Amino acid sequence: EADIYQTPRYLVIGTGKKITLECSQTMGHDKMYWYQQDPGMELHLIHYSYGVNSTEKGDLSSESTVSRIRTEHFPLTLESARPSHTSQYLCASSGAPGTGELFFGEGSRLTVL
Amino acid sequence: GDSVTQMEGPVTLSEEAFLTINCTYTATGYPSLFWYVQYPGEGLQLLLKATKADDKGSNKGFEATYRKETTSFHLEKGSVQVSDSAVYFCALSDPGGSYIPTFGRGTSLIVHP
Repeated sequence: EADIYQTPRYLVIGTGKKITLECSQTMGHDKMYWYQQDPGMELHLIHYSYGVNSTEKGDLSSESTVSRIRTEHFPLTLESARPSHTSQYLCASSGAPGTGELFFGEGSRLTVL
Repeated sequence: GDSVTQMEGPVTLSEEAFLTINCTYTATGYPSLFWYVQYPGEGLQLLLKATKADDKGSNKGFEATYRKETTSFHLEKGSVQVSDSAVYFCALSDPGGSYIPTFGRGTSLIVHP
């Protein structure tokens, strides 16, 4: 059973609001990832981290930012939400060297009006 | 760079039918290969994996064999159930590389009673 948690599961907010999507894992994994999933199901990597104080941008350009101050915590922040940010956001972690297996949270579905 | 190509969906089957979802990959190293499943409203979870050529991964009646000669990792199940309706993602991870997994676009499976 994977121990990775995302909150909130669902969020509806107005344009211009600041939001933070939380992601926590209790497995002690070094590597963590944020994916944006479009309605066609495809996953787009937007941020990743190799460990504390390490953050990198992914393949898909995103106006969001992330931080990694603690191993277990990898929050994603949007300073000013827009309708184009409406999407499903999935957090994942990986720790076992040499396997590349990911553990995913249940996702945060964001709707910006 | 690395890439994963899987068949487009949706794949629509009747209960107890045989399932094949094709997946081929391109990688410079010797990747590990994965199938993930995403049930409605949830995050992805690992279905099965194979870490070297000719390995067969299996779980819940699903199987896939790592074929290096054809660079393929096709997912099969002999008799699908309605509860197998989900989106299936093929993925690879190069243990000698960046540890950033590469995902296919996902294939939706719909099983009718």
